Amino acid sequence: GQNIDQPTEMTATEGAIVQINCTYQTSGFNGLFWYQQHAGEAPTFLSYNVLDGLEEKGRFSSFLSRSKGYSYLLLKELQMKDSASYLCAVRVFSGGYNKLIFGAGTRLAVHP
Amino acid sequence: EAQVTQNPRYLITVTGKKLTVTCSQNMNHEYMSWYRQDPGLGLRQIYYSMNVEVTDKGDVPEGYKVSRKEKRNFPLILESPSPNQTSLYFCASSLVGTDRSDTQYFGPGTRLTVL
Repeated sequence: GQNIDQPTEMTATEGAIVQINCTYQTSGFNGLFWYQQHAGEAPTFLSYNVLDGLEEKGRFSSFLSRSKGYSYLLLKELQMKDSASYLCAVRVFSGGYNKLIFGAGTRLAVHP
Repeated sequence: EAQVTQNPRYLITVTGKKLTVTCSQNMNHEYMSWYRQDPGLGLRQIYYSMNVEVTDKGDVPEGYKVSRKEKRNFPLILESPSPNQTSLYFCASSLVGTDRSDTQYFGPGTRLTVL
């Protein structure tokens, strides 16, 4: 089956760095996305990886290792507004189309 | 402004009373999808549509119907809602492709309570 695992909750201090891990077991891998979701709001796109390595985008970076079925999202210089859930989603090619499979999300709390 | 809209945003209803949640996008996307989000379970796909008149079941389609008569609209229909359909629902749309531009854009969500 298709499975995505990420920690349920994490806490971190304002100004610090936090790494949110995601492991996946899927077939037909076709890219990995990270989304940010504030409580009660829609998920918004953060990053995309399809090849191994690190993608950097300002304070946010995402890493992918396809051979290990592993990704992480790195958040630097944490701000209070980064308190949100972070969703790891794997795009798979299945049944003739691409679909996104989501992990349950990691709830990050940033405190002063 | 590029966006996905959903209505209503909040709905409280009773078991068995048919309801429709509308979804509309203005980005000319081919692909549209409905998800439900429940605590601890993440986003689960209900139905999706690759284009007009092309729809198919996702992972949790029981109790739901959809239609895609126009490219921009993808309504979700609950013919006879039950309490286990109490959830937060998201509509999403995207281009049909395999690069980073194929990211899904989500609507603001509809919080449904079935009593």
